[in-house]
Amino acid sequence: EVKLLESGGGLVQPGGSLKLSCAASGFDFSRYWMSWVRQAPGKGLEWIGEINPDSSTINYTPSLKDKFIISRDNAKNTLYLQMSKVRSEDTALYYCARRTVVDWYFDVWGAGTTVTVSS
Amino acid sequence: DIQMTQSPASLSASVGETVTITCRASENIYSYLAWYQQKQGKSPQLLVYNAKTLAEGVPSRFSGSGSGTQFSLKINSLQPEDFGSYYCQHHYGTPYTFGGGTKLEIK
Repeated sequence: EVKLLESGGGLVQPGGSLKLSCAASGFDFSRYWMSWVRQAPGKGLEWIGEINPDSSTINYTPSLKDKFIISRDNAKNTLYLQMSKVRSEDTALYYCARRTVVDWYFDVWGAGTTVTVSS
Repeated sequence: DIQMTQSPASLSASVGETVTITCRASENIYSYLAWYQQKQGKSPQLLVYNAKTLAEGVPSRFSGSGSGTQFSLKINSLQPEDFGSYYCQHHYGTPYTFGGGTKLEIK
């Protein structure tokens, strides 16, 4: 079964840092572009960024480029999101998603991990 | 960045009805448009890609259409499991952007 499982969310103070993980199983993780997408409470979906299979290309949405770092470890079948200088507006459910091999939409999503920024 | 505008933001309908959700792109995205369904407390699920191609396992009562800047998702004969939120997303290069969503509720 193809599966993505996020972890690492929790309560973080404003200005702090947090690293999220996404464990992949059931498919050849090393062949796929992977993305992070977030959803603030009661709001819509916001794409954060993506990383290509060999980590040579990482794209971010411009407004978040200086806040997040995406990385991956193909040996561990794991995607990461390093968050820094967090603010209350970063409170959200963070999803990892698999981009299809031949096109740029998302065919597999994890269940998400919740990040709450509060003092 | 390409902006995606969805309408309506919310929609109330009854089982058996037909509904249409629209999505407008701020510039030409050809047919690079996907639709997702999100049920309460769940992650988004792919419904349609390339504007009109149904994802695997999606019932035929769903259909997508459009190209360029105007797109729509039509659901024929609504079923109880169809209620939830729907999002469009352009997949014409980065940054990918989503529409604001349409919440489909039971009347």
